[in-house]
Amino acid sequence: AQSVTQLGSHVSVSEGALVLLRCNYSSSVPPYLFWYVQYPNQGLQLLLKYTTGATLVKGINGFEAEFKKSETSFHLTKPSAHMSDAAEYFCAVSEQAGTALIFGKGTTLSVSS
Amino acid sequence: KAGVTQTPRYLIKTRGQQVTLSCSPISGHRSVSWYQQTPGQGLQFLFEYFSETQRNKGNFPGRFSGRQFSNSRSEMNVSTLELGDSALYLCASGQGTSEQYFGPGTRLTVT
Repeated sequence: AQSVTQLGSHVSVSEGALVLLRCNYSSSVPPYLFWYVQYPNQGLQLLLKYTTGATLVKGINGFEAEFKKSETSFHLTKPSAHMSDAAEYFCAVSEQAGTALIFGKGTTLSVSS
Repeated sequence: KAGVTQTPRYLIKTRGQQVTLSCSPISGHRSVSWYQQTPGQGLQFLFEYFSETQRNKGNFPGRFSGRQFSNSRSEMNVSTLELGDSALYLCASGQGTSEQYFGPGTRLTVT
């Protein structure tokens, strides 16, 4: 069965600092991996996805993630945090294209000035 | 293109009642999935429809059901509501490829 573990339910950074949100997955087949962001009282917005090909994936708002098969990880990074990045971030995995997403518990990112 | 729309956005129901939530996918998308989000359990998959057929189902009781219409719009129904059904219900649409696009959700409160 697939599963996703997000290390750290809450991460705090200063504005301008590096953002690193950790995600490890378990899958018996080559996974499709996603990062979504959720702002208060809103739905989920897709930040980036990995399906096949290049393991370093660039997304919106300056975020990127690297698929490391040997470490079963898909950590999300951003070189310089902005106040507007404060939100909840979810890592998700699916076995097949367009099928059910299995989500991690989420990481709340706080950004201080 | 317009995004995924969900109606209503907020709903208050009493235990034992039933409720129907609606989702209109992005134009051209034939896949609609439903998820339940609660503080305790997080985001959990309910079911997925593709071209009016349920293609996948999560681990929820039979009180939770859904359907998809020929125009790809989808509804989900919860019967005999319980307090624990209070949640944000999210609908996502896709083209059967990898990514899914989420609507703003329906906040259901059961009293």
